[in-house]
Amino acid sequence: GESVGLHLPTLSVQEGDNSIINCAYSNSASDYFIWYKQESGKGPQFIIDIRSNMDKRQGQRVTVLLNKTVKHLSLQIAATQPGDSAVYFCAEGPYGKLTFGQGTILTVHP
Amino acid sequence: GAVVSQHPSWVICKSGTSVKIECRSLDFQATTMFWYRQFPKQSLMLMATSNEGSKATYEQGVEKDKFLINHASLTLSTLTVTSAHPEDSSFYICSASDGPRDTQYFGPGTRLTVL
Repeated sequence: GESVGLHLPTLSVQEGDNSIINCAYSNSASDYFIWYKQESGKGPQFIIDIRSNMDKRQGQRVTVLLNKTVKHLSLQIAATQPGDSAVYFCAEGPYGKLTFGQGTILTVHP
Repeated sequence: GAVVSQHPSWVICKSGTSVKIECRSLDFQATTMFWYRQFPKQSLMLMATSNEGSKATYEQGVEKDKFLINHASLTLSTLTVTSAHPEDSSFYICSASDGPRDTQYFGPGTRLTVL
């Protein structure tokens, strides 16, 4: 759905911990999901994507899990580093029409 | 690979003037480009989708005569904010993909401030 409000969810972790960022999506017909990272004043940076025929996909230090039954998406970041601090957005598709979630602020403390 | 650039990175203009923002795909051919706007502490909102050589498709509530989009080549799309007003101040971000079923890669954004 559309993003509203000024207060984004926040997650604070210690350096080296694992982080889990959650996202609930709205459209059961969405067939493509993607996670982006956005640092202050910059454009979104692609992290990882997953199609609806999968329930898990792994990248470098990141894993995306998709639960279509409850329309839930999560991003797991292993061994979180200070450079991972940013706003993380999930987006649902089809490819040509992504709808972005409201975002989660991740803060990593050294 | 998959680098998208935007120019300018920021612009300040007077109310009533027009501003053009360029979006370029540097290392791939972008058959489709997307324009988003983002207000502070909010998510990205899709404004329009443009395919090379054809007219842009605008989202509901986005004025096509105010936000002119041109996608003249496979590597360049432009967004012109005409007769800009303070309420148009925002962060404008483009993205590009090299096919209808391919990942969107985002530019760095353009901060527009209208005085």
